[in-house]
Amino acid sequence: AQTVTQSQPEMSVQEAETVTLSCTYDTSESNYYLFWYKQPPSRQMILVIRQEAYKQQNATENRFSVNFQKAAKSFSLKISDSQLGDTAMYFCAFILPLLYGGATNKLIFGTGTLLAVQP
Amino acid sequence: DSGVTQTPKHLITATGQRVTLRCSPRSGDLSVYWYQQSLDQGLQFLIQYYNGEERAKGNILERFSAQQFPDLHSELNLSSLELGDSALYFCASSVGTSGGYQETQYFGPGTRLLVL
Repeated sequence: AQTVTQSQPEMSVQEAETVTLSCTYDTSESNYYLFWYKQPPSRQMILVIRQEAYKQQNATENRFSVNFQKAAKSFSLKISDSQLGDTAMYFCAFILPLLYGGATNKLIFGTGTLLAVQP
Repeated sequence: DSGVTQTPKHLITATGQRVTLRCSPRSGDLSVYWYQQSLDQGLQFLIQYYNGEERAKGNILERFSAQQFPDLHSELNLSSLELGDSALYFCASSVGTSGGYQETQYFGPGTRLLVL
């Protein structure tokens, strides 16, 4: 079974600085997808970034980028120029879709990392 | 705004009662997913519907049921409610059913259920 581990329950960063959130996962499959979702105090789940496992190039979305290390099964999120609005719980998620032999299209989430951006 | 809507935003009810949560997917999306977020269980997949048909079940209790209607909106029915059912219930939608990058799941704002 696939699992997702986020080993940092809480992190803090100063405004304008860079922070990296860690995520590791476990799967025996070679094709899958990884996501980072953000959950601010409003509790809305917002997609931050996504990565296809078969792509070697790391995904980037403005100030957000990932470091995808497939062999190490690591998928970290880097937030550059941190802003107060980045304060949120960040969830790493894995999906083994039906397209690649998964039994469902369910997202498997880690336990989350609570990021606080300090002014 | 993800384009997924959920009603109601908040729900307070008593043990033993039954409630219905409603979700409207993004325009054009055929798949609807239900997730439960609780303090002790984290985010858990409950069930998926695709174009009116059940496609996958996760950790959904027998007291819970769902359906997707011809207009593609979905309802999650929770009955014989217990204190432990208090949680945030999310609906998500995606285009189709094969899953993955092309069918990223977009989440609604959630329904907060409090069982007293």
